[in-house]
Amino acid sequence: AQSVTQPDIHITVSEGASLELRCNYSYGATPYLFWYVQSPGQGLQLLLKYFSGDTLVQGIKGFEAEFKRSQSSFNLRKPSVHWSDAAEYFCAVGAMDTGRRALTFGSGTRLQVQP
Amino acid sequence: GAVVSQHPSRVICKSGTSVKIECRSLDFQATTMFWYRQFPKQSLMLMATSNEGSKATYEQGVEKDKFLINHASLTLSTLTVTSAHPEDSSFYICSAPDRGHGYTFGSGTRLTVV
Repeated sequence: AQSVTQPDIHITVSEGASLELRCNYSYGATPYLFWYVQSPGQGLQLLLKYFSGDTLVQGIKGFEAEFKRSQSSFNLRKPSVHWSDAAEYFCAVGAMDTGRRALTFGSGTRLQVQP
Repeated sequence: GAVVSQHPSRVICKSGTSVKIECRSLDFQATTMFWYRQFPKQSLMLMATSNEGSKATYEQGVEKDKFLINHASLTLSTLTVTSAHPEDSSFYICSAPDRGHGYTFGSGTRLTVV
């Protein structure tokens, strides 16, 4: 079975500082990997996704993530955080096999941005 | 791009009544729809998977008689919470695989049972 671990429940960074949110996955084959952001009371917005190819993926809002197969990780990074980035971030894994199965989500990391 | 329209966005209902949530795929055919539930400050948990024209598949611990899912067409899937109770209050989100390798999510429904 696939699973996702986000070790950090809550992270606080200063505006302008760099950010890295950790994500580790468990899956027997090559996974689809996603990062979503959710503002309070809102739905999910896709930041970026990885299927194959270049392991460094660029997303929206200046975010990027790097797929490291050897570490089973897909960490999200941003060089300079803005106050509007405060939200909940979810890493998710999907199966790359026949048929489309649901995504499995990590527990989320709440990002707080200090002025 | 692929859009899933979810309605209503918020609903308040009395305990014991039923509530229907709709998810429509606007510009693509959604043969599969995933239904998730999210409790406050928690992650999204898959409740069930619906496939057009067949019975839904429910995750372990999800009551199929309480959460009725219908996927009668390629563009509409519905979740009906029957005899709702306060513990059913949650954020419900639908999602469909899109034409690529991704997934399109509805905007969610905040259900409050009083």
